[in-house]
Amino acid sequence: DGGITQSPKYLFRKEGQNVTLSCEQNLNHDAMYWYRQDPGQGLRLIYYSQIVNDFQKGDIAEGYSVSREKKESFPLTVTSAQKNPTAFYLCASSRLAGVKSFSDTQYFGPGTRLTVL
Amino acid sequence: GQSLEQPPEVTAVEGAIVQINCTYQTSGFYGLSWYQQHDGGAPTFLSYNALDGLEETGRFSSFLSRSDSYGYLLLQELQMKDSASYFCAVKGGGSQGNLIFGKGTKLSVKP
Repeated sequence: DGGITQSPKYLFRKEGQNVTLSCEQNLNHDAMYWYRQDPGQGLRLIYYSQIVNDFQKGDIAEGYSVSREKKESFPLTVTSAQKNPTAFYLCASSRLAGVKSFSDTQYFGPGTRLTVL
Repeated sequence: GQSLEQPPEVTAVEGAIVQINCTYQTSGFYGLSWYQQHDGGAPTFLSYNALDGLEETGRFSSFLSRSDSYGYLLLQELQMKDSASYFCAVKGGGSQGNLIFGKGTKLSVKP
């Protein structure tokens, strides 16, 4: 089955630690995205990537880092610089990238719920 | 800047019809999408409107008026399983393919 997987589903972190959230897709999609969702809020874009070895900051990139070494993988690292990292993190992908993706649906993974202790 | 406004909550009874409105402000418009998210789950795509008018997909319809920067999602024959949050979203401007989401409307369907 094609889709997007995220791991782990739940993650607990001590203050001061960096943690990496995994996101893998086998849909052969060009573009991948990381969103953060806080309770009762919409999704806010952290980073996105339209092609391997390239990525762009979203609206709330501070305290986060990403890499895109393979088309199917887009891991997100939450660093100790992120002041309030407790949130639900969602990874998504879409078929076309950039201006061509006018109507492309974004497909979301199941999410990782990060809690800082 | 870009922003979207939706009502935070809507309540309706089973079998009824409900309309969830969305007004947006964007620089460059590439279409309005709707996503559904059940509690604790991932958003799933419902519909997309690039042109004015109504798009129907089963019990769900979505409407767009570009001149009014306004759209709505219409849910008919409501079922308990429709209880979820509904987000409208627009594409980011320029070369970005990312989506800008509204804060969501929490729909509660009562028996």
